[in-house]
Amino acid sequence: GQQVMQIPQYQHVQEGEDFTTYCNSSTTLSNIQWYKQRPGGHPVFLIQLVKSGEVKKQKRLTFQFGEAKKNSSLHITATQTTDVGTYFCAGPLTGGYNKLIFGAGTRLAVHP
Amino acid sequence: GAVVSQHPSWVICKSGTSVKIECRSLDFQATTMFWYRQFPKQSLMLMATSNEGSKATYEQGVEKDKFLINHASLTLSTLTVTSAHPEDSSFYICSARERGTAYNQPQHFGDGTRLSIL
Repeated sequence: GQQVMQIPQYQHVQEGEDFTTYCNSSTTLSNIQWYKQRPGGHPVFLIQLVKSGEVKKQKRLTFQFGEAKKNSSLHITATQTTDVGTYFCAGPLTGGYNKLIFGAGTRLAVHP
Repeated sequence: GAVVSQHPSWVICKSGTSVKIECRSLDFQATTMFWYRQFPKQSLMLMATSNEGSKATYEQGVEKDKFLINHASLTLSTLTVTSAHPEDSSFYICSARERGTAYNQPQHFGDGTRLSIL
């Protein structure tokens, strides 16, 4: 069945270091969404990418959608302790137009 | 805007009890809401799609008689875990998409309900 894979599962960084999480879909996606979930919290929508090769920035966060619309990445420059949490990518389920399929998430720990 | 309220946030109860969780869209209408389950340090797994005025659609492997869903209005969906057992302990999260928005628009998540069955 359709899968969305995300790596790494877990990453420890020192504050100020960069961080990247990668998302790979088994199928072409019409769009990809990124969510952040703080420990004990609920997922919060960050951004949606729609176009092939699209790059969007939100302050220190850079989101990229691959040319084939099957992969995506989230890069954080100069991490801060407030970046701690789990980052999920999610794409629409093929044939289930309303539904999202989530990647496993990348848990980011930032040490001061 | 686009706030989803989920209640209760935490439930501890005895095995065999039925537990009802409410999901409300506070400032928008939602014809479709989604119920997810999340185990510790794992991803969100879609359980079912709740449709206003009609039956919910369940994902493969989710028992519809175990997890009863009612979407009684455009702002409220409920999930009832019937005769809950310890293996039902989990974090349950609902989400909603604003009525009239395209299917590929983002979902707004509730705060989640942490269910612990003793």
